[in-house]
Amino acid sequence: GDSVTQMEGPVTLSEEAFLTINCTYTATGYPSLFWYVQYPGEGLQLLLKATKADDKGSNKGFEATYRKETTSFHLEKGSVQVSDSAVYFCALSGLNSGNTPLVFGKGTRLSVIA
Amino acid sequence: GAVVSQHPSRVICKSGTSVKIECRSLDFQATTMFWYRQFPKQSLMLMATSNEGSKATYEQGVEKDKFLINHASLTLSTLTVTSAHPEDSSFYICSARVTLNYGYTFGSGTRLTVV
Repeated sequence: GDSVTQMEGPVTLSEEAFLTINCTYTATGYPSLFWYVQYPGEGLQLLLKATKADDKGSNKGFEATYRKETTSFHLEKGSVQVSDSAVYFCALSGLNSGNTPLVFGKGTRLSVIA
Repeated sequence: GAVVSQHPSRVICKSGTSVKIECRSLDFQATTMFWYRQFPKQSLMLMATSNEGSKATYEQGVEKDKFLINHASLTLSTLTVTSAHPEDSSFYICSARVTLNYGYTFGSGTRLTVV
């Protein structure tokens, strides 16, 4: 079945450091790919998405490019802030149907220190 | 944007009692609602998929008699944890797919503590 693998955390960075969180996937067909962020005690918020190969999703300084050849969707940010501390989830939607749930990676906890 | 309103955000209940969690889609119709459970520092585990007007589909290992899901309208889905026990303590989150292009939106979650 479909699956998502993302790098284990926790990741601790200093403010203004460069961030990369790796995400790879296994899926049949052409999934849509997502990054969600979860702040402590809250639900998930969509950070960015890409629906086809070579698409780049971007939001709030975060970027991720849908790489079909490497089945990857790595999350990057050039300069992290303390407010970026959260858990980040990579996810895919395997079928183009409203009845299909997201498949999540295990999440990567990011801590940014001043 | 599309919003799913989830209530309550926190609830503490005694063992043996039941708790109902509501998720309402505020500005769209949610034909399908997904219910997840999240343990501390872990990912989301899909519990069940509810479809408006029909029975929910439960994932393997999820007790459908303990976790009752009702999706009676296009804007409301409920999860009732029946005869709750401390091991049911967890963070429960609902989610709906708004449109194929928009993607998924999530409720803000319910922290259930059973004492």
